[in-house]
Amino acid sequence: DAKTTQPNSMESNEEEPVHLPCNHSTISGTDYIHWYRQLPSQGPEYVIHGLTSNVNNRMASLAIAEDRKSSTLILHRATLRDAAVYYCIRTNNNAGNMLTFGGGTRLMVKP
Amino acid sequence: DGGITQSPKYLFRKEGQNVTLSCEQNLNHDAMYWYRQDPGQGLRLIYYSQIVNDFQKGDIAEGYSVSREKKESFPLTVTSAQKNPTAFYLCASSIAAGGSSPLHFGNGTRLTVT
Repeated sequence: DAKTTQPNSMESNEEEPVHLPCNHSTISGTDYIHWYRQLPSQGPEYVIHGLTSNVNNRMASLAIAEDRKSSTLILHRATLRDAAVYYCIRTNNNAGNMLTFGGGTRLMVKP
Repeated sequence: DGGITQSPKYLFRKEGQNVTLSCEQNLNHDAMYWYRQDPGQGLRLIYYSQIVNDFQKGDIAEGYSVSREKKESFPLTVTSAQKNPTAFYLCASSIAAGGSSPLHFGNGTRLTVT
């Protein structure tokens, strides 16, 4: 079972950086790490994904540990619109692109 | 404007009735997925399809059925055999079935069965 471990919730102040951690200690060499976020009553939105190297896009950065057993999603300047549930997922390549979503981290952003 | 359309947004049914949820994508993606989400929980995979005319069971397929007759369509039927059908159902697609392909989600159908 492709499990990850994330804190249930985190708080941040607006315009400050946010580091959302994720543990995936049983990850295999070919598994990708994906991050999605979800607002209430909406479908999840893709944020970023990576395999081994750190990744940057317009939304966030993804820092992957050298042993790949953990990763961190970095929001460089949190805004109120970033308040959402953030899911860290590792793929299960033995069954195609089946992404198993855990409970995620609820990010609260204070003005 | 490409994307995934799920309809309807809200659906109400009586217990014992089968109900079909629609999912259409115009992204030309090969792979499509159905997830179920219960209040305050993460997403659980029901079924997925890597190509047309092929699909596989996910973690919680009992009480559900799917078809993939066209690339752009992946309807989900919630049968009367599903013990707790009330939930938020999400459809997704990806370019291909592989770890490097991000998922694109629809905005879901909230099914209530009484």
